[in-house]
Amino acid sequence: DVKVTQSSRYLVKRTGEKVFLECVQDMDHENMFWYRQDPGLGLRLIYFSYDVKMKEKGDIPEGYSVSREKKERFSLILESASTNQTSMYLCASSSGSRELFFGEGSRLTVL
Amino acid sequence: GQNIDQPTEMTATEGAIVQINCTYQTSGFNGLFWYQQHAGEAPTFLSYNVLDGLEEKGRFSSFLSRSKGYSYLLLKELQMKDSASYLCAVPHSGTYKYIFGTGTRLKVLA
Repeated sequence: DVKVTQSSRYLVKRTGEKVFLECVQDMDHENMFWYRQDPGLGLRLIYFSYDVKMKEKGDIPEGYSVSREKKERFSLILESASTNQTSMYLCASSSGSRELFFGEGSRLTVL
Repeated sequence: GQNIDQPTEMTATEGAIVQINCTYQTSGFNGLFWYQQHAGEAPTFLSYNVLDGLEEKGRFSSFLSRSKGYSYLLLKELQMKDSASYLCAVPHSGTYKYIFGTGTRLKVLA
């Protein structure tokens, strides 16, 4: 069974903390994505990567960075968490322009 | 620019048929995807249309008209478990990025 695994389902952090969200896929997909999902706003793309060490900004990259050192792993980093980054974070992967496979999501609360 | 529109909410009765519409504007076209998302869960892939016409998959069908920039998802013999959000998405022209609609929340009533 193909899988995208996110490291944490629920996190609670304090304002100013550094936050790492990890995502691993086992499908040898070249493309990986980080989205955030907020009520009424839908899925918004933060960053995506189409190859190891390659990354491109999505629609809302401010306050985030990413790392892709290995093909199967794509990490999202919040350098200094803020309350407006409280959200559901979804990682996804794909091959070419085929369908996205999503992880279960990481619900982050920043206090 | 690129844009996707879907109704925010729909309600239907168990056993009925419901049609969820999606209109899109893109500078190029490389197919349209439908995803289902239950509350608190990740989206899962339902269907993909790249040519005009109807694609049927059991109780779910998806239709595409490229000339009209229009798609719909048709759900037949509705079940309570079909209560979910349904997301329409298109790949961003020339990239592997995907643009999502805000989703249609479907409530199935007994």
